Amino acid sequence: DTGVSQNPRHKITKRGQNVTFRCDPISEHNRLYWYRQTLGQGPEFLTYFQNEAQLEKSRLLSDRFSAERPKGSFSTLEIQRTEQGDSAMYLCASSLSPSGGRPREQYFGPGTRLTVT
Amino acid sequence: QKEVEQDPGPLSVPEGAIVSLNCTYSNSAFQYFMWYRQYSRKGPELLMYTYSSGNKEDGRFTAQVDKSSKYISLFIRDSQPSDSATYLCATLITGTASKLTFGTGTRLQVTL
Repeated sequence: DTGVSQNPRHKITKRGQNVTFRCDPISEHNRLYWYRQTLGQGPEFLTYFQNEAQLEKSRLLSDRFSAERPKGSFSTLEIQRTEQGDSAMYLCASSLSPSGGRPREQYFGPGTRLTVT
Repeated sequence: QKEVEQDPGPLSVPEGAIVSLNCTYSNSAFQYFMWYRQYSRKGPELLMYTYSSGNKEDGRFTAQVDKSSKYISLFIRDSQPSDSATYLCATLITGTASKLTFGTGTRLQVTL
């Protein structure tokens, strides 16, 4: 297993277009997280899945954003009607479920850098 | 006010120096404290984590947490050029989500 992978690595789109990103987590990990990182800032939580169920969404995730994780494997993040403010690095992370109340390490992918022109 | 504050730097030090990186946080409910390293165009990778107050050492790296003052520190001894990266502190509250709350990151440059 080579870790978390994300595709594409870079995406340039025009304002108003729809874009979709894919994340392939570490195979045995049942948790999958999406974060967004803008220039000079730390990553911010967007949403997470436990298997195929989306259990929490941040207020940052407007109605134009939708995420899915069919069959609890890979996940997609779609942004509809992109805006310039959506330009950011979109990071995916995966982990095992907490054990004995202790959180498990989240392994991050390399991210998808979105530029909206 | 952000829940986790971190000086963005940049911080430039000569090779071999001791580096001190710091964060403050506001939410008393945070229980776990992490330090991530992020190289340019890469995702963050976990360096160390601590639970509650105390110190933890791993090779050249030492993490400290003082919950009474809500202060998190990372010390790097004998810094190397390969340590040049952005260092992100992060916290979380144990529970169903385990979502990470990050600081802004401090960019470190170790020069020869």
